[in-house]
Amino acid sequence: DGGITQSPKYLFRKEGQNVTLSCEQNLNHDAMYWYRQDPGQGLRLIYYSQIVNDFQKGDIAEGYSVSREKKESFPLTVTSAQKNPTAFYLCASSPYHDGTAKNIQYFGAGTRLSVL
Amino acid sequence: LAKTTQPISMDSYEGQEVNITCSHNNIATNDYITWYQQFPSQGPRFIIQGYKTKVTNEVASLFIPADRKSSTLSLPRVSLSDTAVYYCLVGDGDTGRRALTFGSGTRLQVQP
Repeated sequence: DGGITQSPKYLFRKEGQNVTLSCEQNLNHDAMYWYRQDPGQGLRLIYYSQIVNDFQKGDIAEGYSVSREKKESFPLTVTSAQKNPTAFYLCASSPYHDGTAKNIQYFGAGTRLSVL
Repeated sequence: LAKTTQPISMDSYEGQEVNITCSHNNIATNDYITWYQQFPSQGPRFIIQGYKTKVTNEVASLFIPADRKSSTLSLPRVSLSDTAVYYCLVGDGDTGRRALTFGSGTRLQVQP
C-alpha cells in the first residue's frame, strides 16, 4: 500500500527539548517537503529536499533541522530554539516530474505537536 | 514567487455548483495551476491541475482564460462532504520552491 507515513500522530514536547518527527514514503518520489500549519491558517514551508543528501530552507526554517540520508526518509527535528512549536506538521513528497503533471504533492496524515 | 489571491470563504447548498476563482496576475510562462482540497486535521489532497483552457476530471473542472491571470475551480453538485479548504497554487515543478506557496485558501461550507 503506497503512500506517506508520518509518525507519531501526536507528540508532546517539554521546554528545552528537541523532538523528531518521522516521514517515510514508498512512492519512489525524488522530492520531499515539510510544512507547518497553525489553526485556521494555510501551510508554510519549513524545508524541502529535491534529492538525497541535499535540502533547502523554506520560509520558516529557523528552529528546525532536517536530513535526507535516504530517498524514502525525511525526518524533521524541532529544536529548543523554536519557541512556538505548537502546530500541525505535514510532510509531502512529489515525483517532481511524473510525465502527466507538474510537481503534484502527496501528503501524509500529519503530526500534531504540543508543548507541555 | 507567483502570488495567488482567493476568497477567504464561500457558502453553498447541497446540489449546487460552486465556482472558486483564484487570481494570479504574475503567472509565468512555464507555470501550471494546481488546486488542492484539505479536510480538518488531514493533509491536502490534489484535485486538478491545468495550464490553459479547460481541464476536467471525475471530481472537478478547471477553467483558465487565455491570459492565464486567473483560474476557476468548478465543483458540480456539491455535497456536505465537499466542505473543506481549497488551495490554489501556481508554479512549475522545475524550480521546486515556486510551486510551494499555499496561501490561506478558500474555506467552503456546504449546507443541507
